[in-house]
Amino acid sequence: AQKVTQAQTEISVVEKEDVTLDCVYETRDTTYYLFWYKQPPSGELVFLIRRNSFDEQNEISGRYSWNFQKSTSSFNFTITASQVVDSAVYFCALSEAQAGGTSYGKLTFGQGTILTVHP
Amino acid sequence: DSGVTQTPKHLITATGQRVTLRCSPRSGDLSVYWYQQSLDQGLQFLIQYYNGEERAKGNILERFSAQQFPDLHSELNLSSLELGDSALYFCASSVGTGTASYEQYFGPGTRLTVT
Repeated sequence: AQKVTQAQTEISVVEKEDVTLDCVYETRDTTYYLFWYKQPPSGELVFLIRRNSFDEQNEISGRYSWNFQKSTSSFNFTITASQVVDSAVYFCALSEAQAGGTSYGKLTFGQGTILTVHP
Repeated sequence: DSGVTQTPKHLITATGQRVTLRCSPRSGDLSVYWYQQSLDQGLQFLIQYYNGEERAKGNILERFSAQQFPDLHSELNLSSLELGDSALYFCASSVGTGTASYEQYFGPGTRLTVT
């Protein structure tokens, strides 16, 4: 069974600090997808990024960057120069792409990391 | 705005009652997923439909059922409600099925409170 672990329950930083959110996953499949979602205080879930298991290139989008390391089954998320608006709960999620199987894209989420950025 | 709509936003009801949550997917999306978010269980997948057919089931209780209609909107029915059913229920939609490559876009959720 697939599993996602976000060991950091809560992180508190001061504005402009860099912060890294850790995500470790378990899966038996060779083909899978990893995601990060953001849940701001308003409650909605906002899609941030998708990564497939064959693409280990790091990705940068503005102040956000993601580091995918298959060797350690990790998909970490870094926010550079954090801002108060980054305060939210961040979820890492895993989906297996099993052709002919029963896992048709359902997401398995980690427990989430609460990030608080203080001014 | 993800383009996924859910109604109602809030629902307060008593134990033993039955409620229906409604979801309209993004235009063009054929897959609808339901998730439950609670403090003790976190975010959990309940069920998925694709173009009207059930495609995957997660930790969905027998008291819960869902369907997807020809216009692709979906409803999640919760019956014999218990206090523990209080949670935020999300609907998500994606373009395809049979593959996990399509990202899921989530609606704003329905917050259910059972008293």
